[in-house]
Amino acid sequence: DIQTTQSPSTLSASVGDRVTITCRASQSISTWLAWYQQKPGKAPKLLIYKASNLENGVPSRFSGSGSGTEFTLTISSLQPDDFATYYCLQYNTYWTFGQGTKVEIK
Amino acid sequence: QAQLVESGGGVVQPGRSLRLSCEASGFTLSGYGMHWVRQAPGKGLEWVALIWFDGSNKFYAESVKGRFTISRDNSKSTLYLEMNSLRGEDTAVYYCARDRGTNMVRGAPAGGYMDVWGEGTTVTVSS
Repeated sequence: DIQTTQSPSTLSASVGDRVTITCRASQSISTWLAWYQQKPGKAPKLLIYKASNLENGVPSRFSGSGSGTEFTLTISSLQPDDFATYYCLQYNTYWTFGQGTKVEIK
Repeated sequence: QAQLVESGGGVVQPGRSLRLSCEASGFTLSGYGMHWVRQAPGKGLEWVALIWFDGSNKFYAESVKGRFTISRDNSKSTLYLEMNSLRGEDTAVYYCARDRGTNMVRGAPAGGYMDVWGEGTTVTVSS
């Protein structure tokens, strides 16, 4: 089974900050990685697919990079609507989510 | 636009059964594979099951294999999850989600992810 590990588990930041979240896979997954945003009581929302492709309608301040085993989600300038929990998903074989990164107000 | 609405959740005793439904609108269900994903209280997301667009292939997480069955009725635009022998650790919000791009690679599902999600239905397993 492919494991995915996100870091950090919690991140405190201010509006306007540049934020980076890391996801590591236990084996190479090429670029078969997606990122989701989830707010309390709501369904996850797709942000990025195939490591770096921005889903339609997602603000351009979100970006993704990486390949193989190491990936990053970057928010270039954190906005009030961005305080949420973020999950990576590997879909190289079956599906495994990272444990999540909560982005909270500093 | 594409929308998914889950129903059927509730409180059930350990060992009993429950069937969840997920009704699709705004797109043709028969053109897409579909997932169930769950989230235990205060925890992360866990993939549960996938069914091929035509029902010909089904895949399950090890934690539910042999107890849960995914199925679909494309004529009713509805996805189902039959859950038997329920345990406390099955307590979660259950989401259905549309698949984008999964294919078979060397006998395993690969290359696809969830793009549209429902708002979820809550299952509580408790005596």
